[in-house]
Amino acid sequence: DSGVTQTPKHLITATGQRVTLRCSPRSGDLSVYWYQQSLDQGLQFLIQYYNGEERAKGNILERFSAQQFPDLHSELNLSSLELGDSALYFCASSPQTSPYNEQFFGPGTRLTVL
Amino acid sequence: AQSVTQLGSHVSVSEGALVLLRCNYSSSVPPYLFWYVQYPNQGLQLLLKYTSAATLVKGINGFEAEFKKSETSFHLTKPSAHMSDAAEYFCAVSDNAGNMLTFGGGTRLMVKP
Repeated sequence: DSGVTQTPKHLITATGQRVTLRCSPRSGDLSVYWYQQSLDQGLQFLIQYYNGEERAKGNILERFSAQQFPDLHSELNLSSLELGDSALYFCASSPQTSPYNEQFFGPGTRLTVL
Repeated sequence: AQSVTQLGSHVSVSEGALVLLRCNYSSSVPPYLFWYVQYPNQGLQLLLKYTSAATLVKGINGFEAEFKKSETSFHLTKPSAHMSDAAEYFCAVSDNAGNMLTFGGGTRLMVKP
């Protein structure tokens, strides 16, 4: 158990809908990262927050957005969903933003868009 | 941009045999390299990381990796495979600010009895 929690574990929805994925980092970790894992794209970095502020963006679609709240939990919002958005979404956390830091991964949210 | 390439999307070994999973990196500066493992239906777990303190890095579960600058490689090895090692293994590189990890395509390790 990494100490990172993600809810829900599974999410099934229809095209065009909007969903919110939630992540609670390890106690004391200020940095939160979101990744998408799909069969065709592999593991891709989406976005990073540090202590409430956006720090880095990767290959994140404009239909996707995220935020980190004062209690440090984070939410990833996916809207106008398409079939291709079906994937496993991981949240990770680390104490600080440092290239030496291990990122601790949550168990993921499996999103299925029908 | 930094990147890593994993040669072989699938590797099959017999129980007790040597495990060798290959990773090559592309970076213009000293890289920050990681190996993660993903067991079925689970998140990623760190096996080991290279931070320039030593070229041979020991990790958990008997795994180790050697950083070779001349070959731009960071291959993962284990002397003797166990059935419990069956999983997907990812090599990753961090950007210099620690803002993101860039992952290789992954290698699925299968262990035959």
